[in-house]
Amino acid sequence: QVQLVESGGGVVQPGRSLRLSCAASGFTFSSYGMHWVRQAPGKGLEWVAVIWYDGSNKYYADSVKGRFTISRDNSKNTLYLQMNSLRAEDTAVYYCARDGSGGELWFGPGGQGTLVTVSS
Amino acid sequence: QSALTQPASVSGSPGQSITISCTGTSSDVGSYNLVSWYQQHPGKAPKLMIYEVSKRPSGVSNRFSGSKSGNTASLTISGLQAEDEADYYCCSYAGSSTSLFGGGTKLTVL
Repeated sequence: QVQLVESGGGVVQPGRSLRLSCAASGFTFSSYGMHWVRQAPGKGLEWVAVIWYDGSNKYYADSVKGRFTISRDNSKNTLYLQMNSLRAEDTAVYYCARDGSGGELWFGPGGQGTLVTVSS
Repeated sequence: QSALTQPASVSGSPGQSITISCTGTSSDVGSYNLVSWYQQHPGKAPKLMIYEVSKRPSGVSNRFSGSKSGNTASLTISGLQAEDEADYYCCSYAGSSTSLFGGGTKLTVL
């Protein structure tokens, strides 16, 4: 069973940086693409970024392009999201998800996400 | 990258059927049979209910079904139950390895 545990969230001032982590287990991490998805308070889901299974390709939503960097360490079964130049509108719960064969996203059933609050 | 369009809310009585629509464009929903649907209860992570337009993951009730016509995908829930009350999101592959979510639909079971 897919298990994904996000961490690293917190309160940060506008313009500062933060790095999120996602620890994966229950599947062969190095064989799957991975996504970050976020949800602003009281709002809907927003796709943020994807990284291929081997880290060779990365793609971003326009809203974070040039500020966020997705990466992974397959030796540690861990996904990362480096967030720079943070803005108030980046405030959200951030979830990681495993890529599926048909582009679907598999979220960890017990995942709570990690809350990022950008505020002065 | 505009969000896919879903109704803000739908409702139905126990035992009834409801359908949630998800409208995109010829660049996303209309181009790929890669539409998925997610159920989210308050404070919980989203749960995959349908993928590749109409496939159900193991463990998901067959009361949930999906379809697509042109640029619009649909999720139908039959035999509504109280535990179906939740937010539902569609998602489509949008090319270049990117994905696009709908704005979400709040389902109320009356």
